[in-house]
Amino acid sequence: QSVLTQPPSASGTPGQRVTISCSGSNSNIGSNNVYWYQQLPGTAPKLLIYRTNQRPSGVPDRFSGSKSGTSASLAISGLRSEDEADYYCAAWDDTLSVLFGGGTKLTVL
Amino acid sequence: QVQLQQWGAGLLKPSETLSLTCSVYGGSFSGFYCSWIRQSPGKGLEWIGEINDSGTTNYNPSLKSRVTISLGSSKNQFSLKLRSVTAADTAVYYCARGSGSYLVYWGQGTLVTVSS
Repeated sequence: QSVLTQPPSASGTPGQRVTISCSGSNSNIGSNNVYWYQQLPGTAPKLLIYRTNQRPSGVPDRFSGSKSGTSASLAISGLRSEDEADYYCAAWDDTLSVLFGGGTKLTVL
Repeated sequence: QVQLQQWGAGLLKPSETLSLTCSVYGGSFSGFYCSWIRQSPGKGLEWIGEINDSGTTNYNPSLKSRVTISLGSSKNQFSLKLRSVTAADTAVYYCARGSGSYLVYWGQGTLVTVSS
């Protein structure tokens, strides 16, 4: 069982805005940056958001991250079919380890 | 462009030791941590541990007793050893370069199956 809690699934239609949540605690999300990864089937995860709300070069501005207290969110606006993937949040924990969320499978209807 | 290439045995018997190596090409190891992450079939990501170029390590507390991450024999190389494997250790194992949960570059993944 993951210490960072994500909904197992999310869905939306093309063009919609979808939000994926990630809940943690004071020792991880509450005191450290949050990172988001996108994983397409059969491929390695790809960094999507770093330092809670920063996008690496090449990631569309349709993707955005935020944090409030011990929870974080990934928002995807203008949903596209190619956004269908698994999404994982991650954060450093004060126990000197990295925690991942359980992952959210996003379906574009 | 930084690339990570990983290799190691893909089929193990219970109680054996998993051994994987990862090389970082096109970029330095210096100043960064490099991590190992695994993903059981159909499951989520699990961080195993990390090492920096000085050999400082951090491990997942749940795996710490069985894991050793070390610097490789060649520059920009690092290795993973996981002792006393069971079927529960069957997973795709990834190496990645970054610091903590900031993992920018990933290897291609290696499927390790534990079966008698």
